[in-house]
Amino acid sequence: NAGVTQTPKFQVLKTGQSMTLQCAQDMNHEYMSWYRQDPGMGLRLIHYSVGAGITDQGEVPNGYNVSRSTTEDFPLRLLSAAPSQTSVYFCASGSSGGYYEQYFGPGTRLTVT
Amino acid sequence: AQKVTQAQTEISVVEKEDVTLDCVYETRDTTYYLFWYKQPPSGELVFLIRRNSFDEQNEISGRYSWNFQKSTSSFNFTITASQVVDSAVYFCALYQAGTALIFGKGTTLSVSS
Repeated sequence: NAGVTQTPKFQVLKTGQSMTLQCAQDMNHEYMSWYRQDPGMGLRLIHYSVGAGITDQGEVPNGYNVSRSTTEDFPLRLLSAAPSQTSVYFCASGSSGGYYEQYFGPGTRLTVT
Repeated sequence: AQKVTQAQTEISVVEKEDVTLDCVYETRDTTYYLFWYKQPPSGELVFLIRRNSFDEQNEISGRYSWNFQKSTSSFNFTITASQVVDSAVYFCALYQAGTALIFGKGTTLSVSS
């Protein structure tokens, strides 16, 4: 099992550009989520999904879109990048059968200039 | 609304000292899960422990122990005889079924030799 994979690991964008952060898991987990980590702010929830076709907003959803067409994939789209979106992004997955323990990907470090 | 508070932003100790990291949570649900994660300088998120709301037994794992008290909505983490390798950011998190993990802002632990 690869667990949770995220691509790319690093990305630099110019203000206004769009891009998609990829997240995939091979554990058949129903729950997936995206967090951003900023110094002193902990991990803040952007969007989450409790199953294919179901998504919901977290604490900081503005400027981001998600979709969940398959159980395995949960991409995060930045519509028009802003310097405030410079952050480290983590994707996580979990299942009720695993008592909701969340498995995290290695993170994507995004810089918006 | 759910909330996790880690009041200690940074803690510095000398090796072999015991240290306790505090976590206070808020939730209206009677069924929930509490977690601790460790984030070493390398950046990955490492699962340490999970507790469900119906299990108030304290747990010990080697030098680590956890004290869960529903009466005070606290889930504190103690490291006994700290070591330099314990230096990391530690996150407490709360999970309710149908949502996602909500994290505290983290406590940075620095252990010097």
